[in-house]
Amino acid sequence: GAVVSQHPSWVICKSGTSVKIECRSLDFQATTMFWYRQFPKQSLMLMATSNEGSKATYEQGVEKDKFLINHASLTLSTLTVTSAHPEDSSFYICSANGGQGAPEQYFGPGTRLTVT
Amino acid sequence: AQTVTQSQPEMSVQEAETVTLSCTYDTSESDYYLFWYKQPPSRQMILVIRQEAYKQQNATENRFSVNFQKAAKSFSLKISDSQLGDAAMYFCAYRVLIGNQGGKLIFGQGTELSVKP
Repeated sequence: GAVVSQHPSWVICKSGTSVKIECRSLDFQATTMFWYRQFPKQSLMLMATSNEGSKATYEQGVEKDKFLINHASLTLSTLTVTSAHPEDSSFYICSANGGQGAPEQYFGPGTRLTVT
Repeated sequence: AQTVTQSQPEMSVQEAETVTLSCTYDTSESDYYLFWYKQPPSRQMILVIRQEAYKQQNATENRFSVNFQKAAKSFSLKISDSQLGDAAMYFCAYRVLIGNQGGKLIFGQGTELSVKP
């Protein structure tokens, strides 16, 4: 149980274009999902908390207009990187709260974004 | 503010031996959760073990166990009988559970563990 998927696993896009990353909870409902960014050999940096049916809560320093988050259903959250630039190239990971109030988060496999 | 510190950027262990990864944290909360996550080269985050702060007994999961010292705010991970598959980045994480939603996970910097055959 508690499986989280992400799509795509790897995406290459041109500078100036937008790219959407999907995060799905496959066997449970997730009212809250989280989006992280990770650079090589570094820790996970929380970008935002995604709440179903309401606006996302962004961490300080994260551009809301650049990283659009939509949590339209109990099993799907999306992260759209708008007007992507090479510095947005990174590994993006989503997670969801474990079902029934479990304290742990379950993580998706991540998406590698390369902006050329 | 809550912080998590892993002071060992890299550790190495011989196969079948035991290794301990250190983690300290800072919080003013009395009720919280602590976790160890493993991130192998595939980069999939895997939950290794969790500890509830209100429990005095140290958590154990097969070859993995923790030494939780609440007063010292220390939470180390012991891996016994190390295997080649244990090679990964290990992250210590802290979380305050707010209602049923859960607060943020706060991660340490990570410790990269290599296992020598």
